[in-house]
Amino acid sequence: GQQLNQSPQSMFIQEGEDVSMNCTSSSIFNTWLWYKQDPGEGPVLLIALYKAGELTSNGRLTAQFGITRKDSFLNISASIPSDVGIYFCAGSSIANDMRFGAGTRLTVKP
Amino acid sequence: GAVVSQHPSRVICKSGTSVKIECRSLDFQATTMFWYRQFPKQSLMLMATSNEGSKATYEQGVEKDKFLINHASLTLSTLTVTSAHPEDSSFYICRASSGHEQFFGPGTRLTVL
Repeated sequence: GQQLNQSPQSMFIQEGEDVSMNCTSSSIFNTWLWYKQDPGEGPVLLIALYKAGELTSNGRLTAQFGITRKDSFLNISASIPSDVGIYFCAGSSIANDMRFGAGTRLTVKP
Repeated sequence: GAVVSQHPSRVICKSGTSVKIECRSLDFQATTMFWYRQFPKQSLMLMATSNEGSKATYEQGVEKDKFLINHASLTLSTLTVTSAHPEDSSFYICRASSGHEQFFGPGTRLTVL
């Protein structure tokens, strides 16, 4: 199936720092989504992107849908301890189909 | 917003027994349910896709006779792990989709002793 390459695998940052993570794919997606997963819970949608070139913000989070439709990034500004968790990108090319990146494990030190 | 629930949230069973996990969409009609498995420190791996009233479509490498999926209504899908073995221990997560909306369940932690 389609493979998503998500990087970095993990990040250790100081509270207040900005964070950036990205996903690339060899295939084109029509939708990119970013999820956060806390330990022992299901993923929660952070941002959904539906249009190539789209830049969308949700509070301190900003994500962009790459113009080639093969990549996306997520930025978190001014990180806080509750940002800790695993962040997954997901790409969707046909209705309901969704593939996930390997995840970025974020640790924020107070 | 829409909520998807899973039951049980945790289950511990003996090897050889069967375990049923329920996934319910609480305030929207889920025409499609997806079941994922997630091993520690790994991503979500799609196991199967089921449309209401139809047989599930399984991903390559997932045994349909071992992981029985029933999607009998627009609000309920069940995953039954038959003859569970320790290697089936994992975090099982459903995703419910109406086509326009989709939400993940909170997951079920299965431990097979």
